[in-house]
Amino acid sequence: ETGVTQTPRHLVMGMTNKKSLKCEQHLGHNAMYWYKQSAKKPLELMFVYNFKEQTENNSVPSRFSPECPNSSHLFLHLHTLQPEDSALYLCASSQDHSVALYGYTFGSGTRLTVV
Amino acid sequence: GNSVTQMEGPVTLSEEAFLTINCTYTATGYPSLFWYVQYPGEGLQLLLKATKADDKGSNKGFEATYRKETTSFHLEKGSVQVSDSAVYFCALEASGGSYIPTFGRGTSLIVHP
Repeated sequence: ETGVTQTPRHLVMGMTNKKSLKCEQHLGHNAMYWYKQSAKKPLELMFVYNFKEQTENNSVPSRFSPECPNSSHLFLHLHTLQPEDSALYLCASSQDHSVALYGYTFGSGTRLTVV
Repeated sequence: GNSVTQMEGPVTLSEEAFLTINCTYTATGYPSLFWYVQYPGEGLQLLLKATKADDKGSNKGFEATYRKETTSFHLEKGSVQVSDSAVYFCALEASGGSYIPTFGRGTSLIVHP
């Protein structure tokens, strides 16, 4: 365990389903991030939250909806996804969003398959 | 904009072989450079970093030197092990406070006994 826990580890959902990904950290960090990892593509930053406020939305389609109720928890709500959204979704945290990349702690990811 | 280019994989080696994974970058100013490793079924872990030109990052037998003149940060290891099989990501974080890192596409390394 790295200190950032993601659940579920694997998720298969239909295009009409609604599901949520969960990320939890108890490292005392104040910034949390969602990344998308697709095969043979660079990691794509999706959202950044700093002290529970969203500070970055990297042109992500509205079928992905983040929620950060407190600094320890981050959710990614999914609805009406497309097969091309199948990917590994990684959560990360850092002390705050000004911390350099070496201060990031990543979770193990949720492997999402949209059928 | 900023970009990171890594050699395409997979890189397949026998145990105890020498490893080089190339990484070049484009960025304004003086970025910090990183190598991350992702073992099967896990998230990314920081492997090493360098924050200024000519710095050498090292960890677990891996090394990379920040070469500003060639805008490169190649990863090397003198003798790989089966347990080094993973995907390796080169990344940069630009100076100037954007706080958004740029990752390469990753290079898969497979080490055979």
